[in-house]
Amino acid sequence: DQQVKQNSPSLSVQEGRISILNCDYTNSMFDYFLWYKKYPAEGPTFLISISSIKDKNEDGRFTVFLNKSAKHLSLHIVPSQPGDSAVYFCAASGKIQGAQKLVFGQGTRLTINP
Amino acid sequence: DSGVTQTPKHLITATGQRVTLRCSPRSGDLSVYWYQQSLDQGLQFLIQYYNGEERAKGNILERFSAQQFPDLHSELNLSSLELGDSALYFCASNRQGASYEQYFGPGTRLTVT
Repeated sequence: DQQVKQNSPSLSVQEGRISILNCDYTNSMFDYFLWYKKYPAEGPTFLISISSIKDKNEDGRFTVFLNKSAKHLSLHIVPSQPGDSAVYFCAASGKIQGAQKLVFGQGTRLTINP
Repeated sequence: DSGVTQTPKHLITATGQRVTLRCSPRSGDLSVYWYQQSLDQGLQFLIQYYNGEERAKGNILERFSAQQFPDLHSELNLSSLELGDSALYFCASNRQGASYEQYFGPGTRLTVT
């Protein structure tokens, strides 16, 4: 049962343009959402998060949007830079089987082309 | 550098064997989480410890076990290894144990042959 889904395994964007990564979830009990970035041979690093009581959170070039009615969140990166090329994981936090857990999507590989 | 360390970086072993993966959390962090990432999959939560006690369990097989020691480092033990156990194993930590921002180590790549 995939509670968090990233339907695009890969995305290619021109440098300087906007990158939009999408994520859908099924469990309405999730109360906090996060995006992680992962380079090869490294662990995921926290990028940005949003509480379920908000619909937008911005941090520099990164903005996360949450649409609770659609159970959808997205990460916008603008302008995209070559160093943004990485795998991006969306994650959702909520109480599952009596304990607070983080559930990850499968990841989207973002490639920024010069 | 997240401050979370994992050893070893790589491990190659045969089916049926047992291995131990080690994780040291960030200084001051009480909570440790273990995840498994198989090929082209997301991170699957295995188990969480908070200040030495098991706090939450995910899809952890009975052949796998973990513990957190008084100095807060954690070990993940994998036994009767199968080919399908080949994966990246990540450890993460945070202070409050509420599962929000977690800080990940570089991972241990396990290859079972």
